[in-house]
Amino acid sequence: SYALTQPPSVSVAPGETATITCGGDNIGRMSVHWYQQRPGQAPVLVAYDDSDRPSGIPERFSASNSGNTATLTISRVEAGDEADYYCQVWDGSDILFSFGGGTTVNV
Amino acid sequence: EVRVLESGGGLVQPGGSLRLSCTVSGLTFGNTALGWFRQTPGKGLAWVASISDSGVATFYADSVKGRFTISRDTSLETVFLQLNLLRGDDTALYFCAKARGQYADLWGQGTMVTVSS
Repeated sequence: SYALTQPPSVSVAPGETATITCGGDNIGRMSVHWYQQRPGQAPVLVAYDDSDRPSGIPERFSASNSGNTATLTISRVEAGDEADYYCQVWDGSDILFSFGGGTTVNV
Repeated sequence: EVRVLESGGGLVQPGGSLRLSCTVSGLTFGNTALGWFRQTPGKGLAWVASISDSGVATFYADSVKGRFTISRDTSLETVFLQLNLLRGDDTALYFCAKARGQYADLWGQGTMVTVSS
């Protein structure tokens, strides 16, 4: 299976920018997707295909992917952005959906 | 509005069975691939199984292969996950999600499965 590495937590002050990384071998050659999971709630897709944003997701959420690192950036962070964030790729081999371990964003 | 709703979770003894259901509304069920995922309390997400829009193709994580079966009933607009030979490490919150290509774009709220004697 394909391994994805995320930092356990990121702390950011309101109004600042949060950067969440997702590392993987040549991950830039894969499509990366991101989910937000607030405490006690279901995951919500916040970015797909490296950098696209689903309808209803604020423009403050942006994503990129290159080399060995994919990145989710949250600009002008708000208290409501406090959540766990997971990156995911389509493995295509034995595990269709491979997830990173998740990053808790503390605001 | 598209909705995904899981049901069927509960407490079951090791070695027991359970059937989870996932009802999808607000879209054309026959055109929708679906998947089951799980999350151990306090831990991350893991994929469990997927089924194609036609139901012809099914896929399983190695940890559940041979024990879990995913199926769908178009007339009921429901996907099922049959869980057999349950073990303690199957204890988790099970989510159903609508699959769109290589990602899951809509998730249900989950149903809890607890395997314990």
